[in-house]
Amino acid sequence: QQPVQSPQAVILREGEDAVINCSSSKALYSVHWYRQKHGEAPVFLMILLKGGEQKGHDKISASFNEKKQQSSLYLTASQLSYSGTYFCGTGNSGGYQKVTFGTGTKLQVIP
Amino acid sequence: SQTIHQWPATLVQPVGSPLSLECTVEGTSNPNLYWYRQAAGRGLQLLFYSVGIGQISSEVPQNLSASRPQDRQFILSSKKLLLSDSGFYLCAWSLPNTEAFFGQGTRLTVV
Repeated sequence: QQPVQSPQAVILREGEDAVINCSSSKALYSVHWYRQKHGEAPVFLMILLKGGEQKGHDKISASFNEKKQQSSLYLTASQLSYSGTYFCGTGNSGGYQKVTFGTGTKLQVIP
Repeated sequence: SQTIHQWPATLVQPVGSPLSLECTVEGTSNPNLYWYRQAAGRGLQLLFYSVGIGQISSEVPQNLSASRPQDRQFILSSKKLLLSDSGFYLCAWSLPNTEAFFGQGTRLTVV
């Protein structure tokens, strides 16, 4: 079953922060975050595994709450390059098998 | 380093015509391979995945089929295209317990 992402769309000014949420009705083993620019392939951001810690690089980080079957992606001090559609993918077994993606969150950063 | 090649980049085909999209991976052995479809403004739908030569799992019953004739080659086919087959098709690879890397995609328009 497809994870649910919220919000569906968000517009930010440069420097503002954003949070994208991903929730599943099934128990999760892993959460995968990707960003896709229009007409391009999705680019991997990070993966969080069950029992793992919060991850992040640069100004993008994510958390994984196994009990609530939720993950959140945090974008701080947004840059124009952050614009795109963000997808969370949820896996219920180890490895990248049968990862089910949400419908995406379209994020636009404006000057 | 590993690379993934997917072709063609764009394709316009008439209804009822056959389809063959090819994907190859370089620089790794025995990868997991995937075909995803993305309808306009929608999420990523997993169509097929393969964990080895000749081993194909279908996620969604449909007008398409997949084959893996060689370790690093994944082919998406159809005998007769439908209008509803239009979309953005993405091939991806991963190793067990790692993130997936996507090809640049094929934009298919069935007319």
